[in-house]
Amino acid sequence: EDQVTQSPEALRLQEGESSSLNCSYTVSGLRGLFWYRQDPGKGPEFLFTLYSAGEEKEKERLKATLTKKESFLHITAPKPEDSATYLCAVQAVAGSYQLTFGKGTKLSVIP
Amino acid sequence: GAVVSQHPSWVICKSGTSVKIECRSLDFQATTMFWYRQFPKQSLMLMATSNEGSKATYEQGVEKDKFLINHASLTLSTLTVTSAHPEDSSFYICSARDPPGREGMAYEQYFGPGTRLTVT
Repeated sequence: EDQVTQSPEALRLQEGESSSLNCSYTVSGLRGLFWYRQDPGKGPEFLFTLYSAGEEKEKERLKATLTKKESFLHITAPKPEDSATYLCAVQAVAGSYQLTFGKGTKLSVIP
Repeated sequence: GAVVSQHPSWVICKSGTSVKIECRSLDFQATTMFWYRQFPKQSLMLMATSNEGSKATYEQGVEKDKFLINHASLTLSTLTVTSAHPEDSSFYICSARDPPGREGMAYEQYFGPGTRLTVT
């Protein structure tokens, strides 16, 4: 069974204080690992797809990296508008492209 | 691109009634759509996979007779919660799979804004 574990559950940062969110996963065969951002009361917003170990992707203050067992979402000099829940999900080679989600990390950036 | 809409955004209904939620892919054709449920402070749980022109595939523990899914076209899937009860109150979110072959966007799922269902 595919599993995704995210840590920490919640993270409070001062504006400008860089940090990383962790996503550990077990999957029979990885098709892709996805990062989403979810604001309260809204659907997840797509951020990144990572396909293989060693891959990195960047978007503004966010950088996602992937190893064979985990992924990190690095946030550099965060701003209050980066406050949200960040979700990690895996898609296995087997199946109909379903996503298995972690429980998310709730990020709060304090001005 | 890759915009998914849902309607309604919120609905309140009485116990025993049925509610239909629509999910549309606005700028691409989605042969596969997914329906998720999210309880407060929990992550998304997949309910079913909807394929255009065929029966939906339900996850274990999801009652197919209670949660009716229809995927009649490449841009529309509907979820009907039949004989709703208070325990069905939740945030329902759909997603659509971007078909492979679209440059740089293979296999991603794009999510709708969600529908908040409250059953009284």
